[in-house]
Amino acid sequence: EDQVTQSPEALRLQEGESSSLNCSYTVSGLRGLFWYRQDPGKGPEFLFTLYSAGEEKEKERLKATLTKKESFLHITAPKPEDSATYLCAVRSSGGYNKLIFGAGTRLAVHP
Amino acid sequence: NAGVTQTPKFQVLKTGQSMTLQCAQDMNHEYMSWYRQDPGMGLRLIHYSVGAGITDQGEVPNGYNVSRSTTEDFPLRLLSAAPSQTSVYFCASSLTGYEVYNEQFFGPGTRLTVL
Repeated sequence: EDQVTQSPEALRLQEGESSSLNCSYTVSGLRGLFWYRQDPGKGPEFLFTLYSAGEEKEKERLKATLTKKESFLHITAPKPEDSATYLCAVRSSGGYNKLIFGAGTRLAVHP
Repeated sequence: NAGVTQTPKFQVLKTGQSMTLQCAQDMNHEYMSWYRQDPGMGLRLIHYSVGAGITDQGEVPNGYNVSRSTTEDFPLRLLSAAPSQTSVYFCASSLTGYEVYNEQFFGPGTRLTVL
């Protein structure tokens, strides 16, 4: 059964304190791993797609990496505006564009 | 482009009532889907559609119906609301359901409370 587990559930950082969020997955034939950002009361906003182990993507202070079992979202020198819930999802080879989501990591960055 | 739009933003129902959550997209996307989001759980797929006239069940379809008569619209119907359907509902769309490089875009959500 396809499964996604994110850790930690919540993370509190001081502004400028770098850290990483983890997404562990079990999937039959990975057809993409997706990172989304979700602000309170809003829909998920697409950040990155990763397809193969060793792949990396960067956007401003965020960098996503992928291995055969997990993905990391590295946040370098975060700012308060990076505070949000970060969601990880996988798409398996089971057909169509169906995503399996983790429960998310709530990130709070304090000045 | 407005992207993916959803109405209403908030809704309160009594047990047994029926209603339709609206979803529309103006990006000419073939694939559309409905998810629900509950505290402590990931988004779970309810129903999806790979094109007009084609729909299928996701992970948690019971109590919900969908139809897709146009490319733009994908309404979600609650037949007889139950308190267990209290949740935040998100509609999403992507260019197709088949291509590998194909991220989904989400609407702003509908927060539903069933009393």
